[in-house]
Amino acid sequence: AQSVSQHNHHVILSEAASLELGCNYSYGGTVNLFWYVQYPGQHLQLLLKYFSGDPLVKGIKGFEAEFIKSKFSFNLRKPSVQWSDTAEYFCAAYTSGTYKYIFGTGTRLKVLA
Amino acid sequence: DGGITQSPKYLFRKEGQNVTLSCEQNLNHDAMYWYRQDPGQGLRLIYYSQIVNDFQKGDIAEGYSVSREKKESFPLTVTSAQKNPTAFYLCASSILLPGEAEKLFFGSGTQLSVL
Repeated sequence: AQSVSQHNHHVILSEAASLELGCNYSYGGTVNLFWYVQYPGQHLQLLLKYFSGDPLVKGIKGFEAEFIKSKFSFNLRKPSVQWSDTAEYFCAAYTSGTYKYIFGTGTRLKVLA
Repeated sequence: DGGITQSPKYLFRKEGQNVTLSCEQNLNHDAMYWYRQDPGQGLRLIYYSQIVNDFQKGDIAEGYSVSREKKESFPLTVTSAQKNPTAFYLCASSILLPGEAEKLFFGSGTQLSVL
């Protein structure tokens, strides 16, 4: 069955530290991959998306993610986090033909000022 | 403004009672989804629908039912068979394009609690 795994459940960083959140998916076919963010009290919103082409995807607010097909991974990165990046981050996969978006368990990031 | 409206924001269910959560969108999106969000478990798919009068079970459909009589509306009923209904419920929608997934638009959610 299709699944998405996020291994870091809670991450605490100081401002200016670099961030990498892991995401692995299990599906052998064509997938579209997403990272969503949920700021406290706000709707889930899209950070970035991978469909095809360049495996390094740039998103909003300085985030990027790299699709590594051989590792079934789509890790999220940011070179220097800010206090305002405190939020919960969700990785999601969509498999062509199923119309299903499957989410990981989320990673709560806390950035200390 | 275009968007997804979920109501009510808070809902309380008594033992043995069925309750219905509303989800309406004016984005003209084809697909609609219901997710359940529990702390530490992320978003789990309950039901989804690509077209009117058709819907599919997600990963945790037991104890829930849906209908899709209109494109704009996708209500979720939490039945008495759902033994652990306390959770935050999110409705989402998206355009359907051949081969490529578009982003999901989310509502603001309904917090369901059991009395």
